[in-house]
Amino acid sequence: LAKTTQPISMDSYEGQEVNITCSHNNIATNDYITWYQQFPSQGPRFIIQGYKTKVTNEVASLFIPADRKSSTLSLPRVSLSDTAVYYCLVGSPYSGAGSYQLTFGKGTKLSVIP
Amino acid sequence: GAGVSQTPSNKVTEKGKYVELRCDPISGHTALYWYRQSLGQGPEFLIYFQGTGAADDSGLPNDRFFAVRPEGSVSTLKIQRTERGDSAVYLCASSIYAPRGKNTEAFFGQGTRLTVV
Repeated sequence: LAKTTQPISMDSYEGQEVNITCSHNNIATNDYITWYQQFPSQGPRFIIQGYKTKVTNEVASLFIPADRKSSTLSLPRVSLSDTAVYYCLVGSPYSGAGSYQLTFGKGTKLSVIP
Repeated sequence: GAGVSQTPSNKVTEKGKYVELRCDPISGHTALYWYRQSLGQGPEFLIYFQGTGAADDSGLPNDRFFAVRPEGSVSTLKIQRTERGDSAVYLCASSIYAPRGKNTEAFFGQGTRLTVV
């Protein structure tokens, strides 16, 4: 399973765009890149997933360069409610025997300041 | 139900006791996962079920931990002879089993906070 590296913490003011970059130098050909968000006392929540180039949904955008060795989660105009831990995961939805093991690192703790 | 339900939400037990943690996945989700999360850490994979069978139990730390899903829906995580180091939040997630190449979004419950005293 590919290992990921992301900043431990980030601070941002309300209304700003936040970009969180994740490094995954040994990503495999079949691996997808997935980001989850976790609030205190709650389970992680899926934000976005991509394989290459750019993916956008109603919550965020995910930018993946051609070499796929890194990815950037972009949150537009953050609010106080975006304060959470953000996890970058790399893995294959289908791996050999059919297992799909999500491997979480320590994540990035985003603090949004008024 | 609308989401993944885990019971109890909190469990305090004495060292050496046996505990069972229950997970009700989203209806129709054939894949079910158990994770453990310690304070300040990301969730740690324990076991994955596809239907009734454990397709991957490589994350179970030792033979005190066991999980079942007898009818392919509700799952129970069982911990024998609990130790203080077992204290953590135990998370359950479910997803639609997707064939190769398809995205699979996992939906997590709110977890069971286990405290071993």
